[in-house]
Amino acid sequence: QLQLQESGPGLVKPSETLSLTCSVSGGSISTSSFYWGWIRQPPGKGLEWIGSMSYRGSSYYTPSLKSRVTIAVDTSKNEFSLRLSSATVADTAVYYCARVYSSGWFSDFWGQGTLVTVSS
Amino acid sequence: SYVLTQPPSVSVAPGKTARITCGGDNIGGKTVHWYQQKPGQAPVLVIYYSNDRPSGIPERFSASNSANTAALTINSVEAADEADYYCQVWVSTTDHVVFGGGTKLTVL
Repeated sequence: QLQLQESGPGLVKPSETLSLTCSVSGGSISTSSFYWGWIRQPPGKGLEWIGSMSYRGSSYYTPSLKSRVTIAVDTSKNEFSLRLSSATVADTAVYYCARVYSSGWFSDFWGQGTLVTVSS
Repeated sequence: SYVLTQPPSVSVAPGKTARITCGGDNIGGKTVHWYQQKPGQAPVLVIYYSNDRPSGIPERFSASNSANTAALTINSVEAADEADYYCQVWVSTTDHVVFGGGTKLTVL
């Protein structure tokens, strides 16, 4: 059974870069049918898609975050990462990593989520 | 930008049918996916490709999609179905995923 696990700092200072890693187990990240994505959820609010990347490096980002977001895939470690620059309080959220089926763009496996708070 | 509109809340008695709508411009021309999220948990895919169910999702869950409205229908609602539900589409004009705002289903 595929499992995804987010890791990274739970507290980030404003203007700094938020960085998270998603470790994938129970399956290979180097699969052509899937992308690897990040979704976030501010406390008490709805889901917001951040972006996704394939193991070959093809990527898609939500327009409102595109200028600040970088997603990278490391096939040697079977993991992928998220970097969000110039963090603000508005970036405080639970961040989920997920497997995204590229023929339809739905997420069928999700990590448990990790809360990142942006605060000084 | 493409917007998906869901009612904030829907209430239903146990054993009845719940219908959660998702409105969007010509959403009938898109493929809609639905997720269930219980408090403190990650979302779970319940419907994909507009009306397919992943393994383990009861047949009570079904969906439809036409014109400007997609809908998730839950028959014979159980207490365990109480959760937030989100619709999702892929916007091909700008190559990104959009989620609806979510609907809280309350089982009375």
